[in-house]
Amino acid sequence: GQQLNQSPQSMFIQEGEDVSMNCTSSSIFNTWLWYKQDPGEGPVLLIALYKAGELTSNGRLTAQFGITRKDSFLNISASIPSDVGIYFCAGQRSTGTASKLTFGTGTRLQVTL
Amino acid sequence: DTGVSQDPRHKITKRGQNVTFRCDPISEHNRLYWYRQTLGQGPEFLTYFQNEAQLEKSRLLSDRFSAERPKGSFSTLEIQRTEQGDSAMYLCASSPGGRSYNEQFFGPGTRLTVL
Repeated sequence: GQQLNQSPQSMFIQEGEDVSMNCTSSSIFNTWLWYKQDPGEGPVLLIALYKAGELTSNGRLTAQFGITRKDSFLNISASIPSDVGIYFCAGQRSTGTASKLTFGTGTRLQVTL
Repeated sequence: DTGVSQDPRHKITKRGQNVTFRCDPISEHNRLYWYRQTLGQGPEFLTYFQNEAQLEKSRLLSDRFSAERPKGSFSTLEIQRTEQGDSAMYLCASSPGGRSYNEQFFGPGTRLTVL
């Protein structure tokens, strides 16, 4: 099935650095979500975005819903070791009724001390 | 803990056997979803329930797969005559009503290994 393109695929950063990642699609989505997944566990919802251009924060995390509605961005400021994991974007097309999420390919984040 | 729960967490089976997984959504969430995730990939949608009604099914859900949600509470996903290609993590998610209906909360998953 379709998967959204995420970049970078993986990244090594030092503790304290800021991180940026993005997600792109060939088609429009009306909702963007960002999840974090640890090995052997289910994805955990970080941020939900509902409106083009919207900028939303959750602690050190900030995400933006792209104006074209075909992309989204996630920034993590002052990274810490527990930020390690795989970050997935997910888009949803429908409005008015809930339906499936289309996930990205993931960005693997590793943080060194 | 009031999150989504899944049982079992791990299942090893031989090719050709039937397996059944259970998902208990967050209380009062009327929407329930099943996804499949293979190694190195993001989750892929399988099917979706609103209360007891199965409203959408992916082409990934072959005839060997069946999902139910009797009484609109817990859900089961059954795979008949398992194949090695069915090996994956099966994830369940639920979402509430209201403005947050798009926010899907996932369980820990069931890891299936078909030998």
